[in-house]
Amino acid sequence: SAVISQKPSRDICQRGTSLTIQCQVDSQVTMMFWYRQQPGQSLTLIATANQGSEATYESGFVIDKFPISRPNLTFSTLTVSNMSPEDSSIYLCSVEGVFNNEQFFGPGTRLTVL
Amino acid sequence: DAKTTQPPSMDCAEGRAANLPCNHSTISGNEYVYWYRQIHSQGPQYIIHGLKNNETNEMASLIITEDRKSSTLILPHATLRDTAVYYCIVRVVFGNNNDMRFGAGTRLTVKP
Repeated sequence: SAVISQKPSRDICQRGTSLTIQCQVDSQVTMMFWYRQQPGQSLTLIATANQGSEATYESGFVIDKFPISRPNLTFSTLTVSNMSPEDSSIYLCSVEGVFNNEQFFGPGTRLTVL
Repeated sequence: DAKTTQPPSMDCAEGRAANLPCNHSTISGNEYVYWYRQIHSQGPQYIIHGLKNNETNEMASLIITEDRKSSTLILPHATLRDTAVYYCIVRVVFGNNNDMRFGAGTRLTVKP
């Protein structure tokens, strides 16, 4: 299994600012995914980030609001830009396992925007 | 959009089997059935997956109907720590479109 860490684990931010969330994996993976989980809701896929190519965004999510970097096979960042209280959510990264076709999830970053 | 339907909540007595149903009537031939669970404030945890045969591991059993339109996750001896939201997901495993789409899930409460 893959071990995934996220930084920060939680943050409280002011409206209009930006926050960059880091996702680190203990092994090289091709596919990484970013999800959002709003309070009391299920997970919603934001984008798929493959190393060496531009991230692919789901409907309702745009690169200007959620820019993603994928500089290598073990690391990715998601930035939440120009934040508003509606961006208060848990943001999770996940990776595709190599052998068992599982998807492993990080612990999440709990973001509160005031 | 999620392609599965699950009851929003279920209760189970501690020590008894928990049987969580899932409908996926539009499942395609190349889609697998996955189950994950999310304990409060944690990232989702993989439980089990299968294509058409029943599967069992140390956590649970997965029973898939012959027509593959529904499945049941079985926790054989539920404990209080199994209280979580359980997600049933169908996804393509191979190829470029294999991201995970979550539905609302079933909130399982295991009671003493």
